[in-house]
Amino acid sequence: DVKVTQSSRYLVKRTGEKVFLECVQDMDHENMFWYRQDPGLGLRLIYFSYDVKMKEKGDIPEGYSVSREKKERFSLILESASTNQTSMYLCATWGDRGKSPLHFGNGTRLTVT
Amino acid sequence: KNQVEQSPQSLIILEGKNCTLQCNYTVSPFSNLRWYKQDTGRGPVSLTIMTFSENTKSNGRYTATLDADTKQSSLHITASQLSDSASYICVVSWNAGNMLTFGGGTRLMVKP
Repeated sequence: DVKVTQSSRYLVKRTGEKVFLECVQDMDHENMFWYRQDPGLGLRLIYFSYDVKMKEKGDIPEGYSVSREKKERFSLILESASTNQTSMYLCATWGDRGKSPLHFGNGTRLTVT
Repeated sequence: KNQVEQSPQSLIILEGKNCTLQCNYTVSPFSNLRWYKQDTGRGPVSLTIMTFSENTKSNGRYTATLDADTKQSSLHITASQLSDSASYICVVSWNAGNMLTFGGGTRLMVKP
């Protein structure tokens, strides 16, 4: 079974802090994604990566950046956290795009005060 | 605009009853349609994936249907159990499978 591990289940940060969310997968998948999930808005794509050192903006990249230095690890960075970034953040991997399911981590619930 | 709409937003049923969740989409060009189950505090887990040529797919007590002509899908849950309480998310893949659009989900509560 694919395992997608997010480093923290819950985080509380102050406005203006730099925040790192880490995601590690064990299945050698090339494709990795960061989503945020908010009530009534569903999952929205922040950034994705098709390969090491490669990144693409999703639908809502403003205020975020990402890093993929190794195939198994995809990090989401909030350069200066703001209260409107309080949300559930979900990492996902995708093996054979178009034919296989996305595999999600259990999420990080971030609160910015 | 590519959109995926789910209904109802929330649903409460009694244990043992059946229910059907709906998903309508305007996504084009369509590749496949996926249903995910998300337990509270957990990430979504895949239930089914259906391509254009498949109109029914089952996973235990879960049966998904797809009508590609009307761009509608449903997820039918038979003999519901308390553990079925979760959010169910419809996801449509498009652009040769390279893009995904998520529905807003249906929150199901099964009561004893």
